[in-house]
Amino acid sequence: AQKITQTQPGMFVQEKEAVTLDCTYDTSDPSYGLFWYKQPSSGEMIFLIYQGSYDQQNATEGRYSLNFQKARKSANLVISASQLGDSAMYFCAMREGNNDKVIFGPGTSLSVIP
Amino acid sequence: GAVVSQHPSRVICKSGTSVKIECRSLDFQATTMFWYRQFPKQSLMLMATSNEGSKATYEQGVEKDKFLINHASLTLSTLTVASAHPEDSSFYICSAVQTYEQYFGPGTRLTVT
Repeated sequence: AQKITQTQPGMFVQEKEAVTLDCTYDTSDPSYGLFWYKQPSSGEMIFLIYQGSYDQQNATEGRYSLNFQKARKSANLVISASQLGDSAMYFCAMREGNNDKVIFGPGTSLSVIP
Repeated sequence: GAVVSQHPSRVICKSGTSVKIECRSLDFQATTMFWYRQFPKQSLMLMATSNEGSKATYEQGVEKDKFLINHASLTLSTLTVASAHPEDSSFYICSAVQTYEQYFGPGTRLTVT
């Protein structure tokens, strides 16, 4: 069964606008962590933001914020004030319990239009 | 943040040869490293968990005799693709764990001709 779902294979956003990338997850473990990574065409994986299942507040890191809706099992990434350099693949990922393994979603390709 | 390197960054080999990819944690010790494979326009698929001093744990469907993993020290894990074939051509990425944080290497692009 798919543990991480990203329903948007591709997204376009105008420069300087905000964009939301969707992510839903499936786990029965009450303790888990959710990640977002950016992968530009160079291939490197760039960590963006982390949300723990017990965190009371939504995570924020600069222009990135995570809209964590635990009951809906969703962890959408919001990028504010998009920049051309934000064009990349974005992966939502999850780690369950005390396991160090991180499982990735299928990804969303974001293109920022000038 | 912590740095993880991979060598080589690109490799082209002929079908039937074996290829070794190294993953090193440069400024920290990692008892656990992970190996992922990524085909074009697809996600990262976890292949195996590499544990220092013990056998690797492979994900379902990954051939352990084809993808040999050795975690010889706390800073080095190697992935050897044995008798590589064109279908093994892919982007291989490792990651190393330090205190629950996972740091990724830059990846190795393998092309088998």
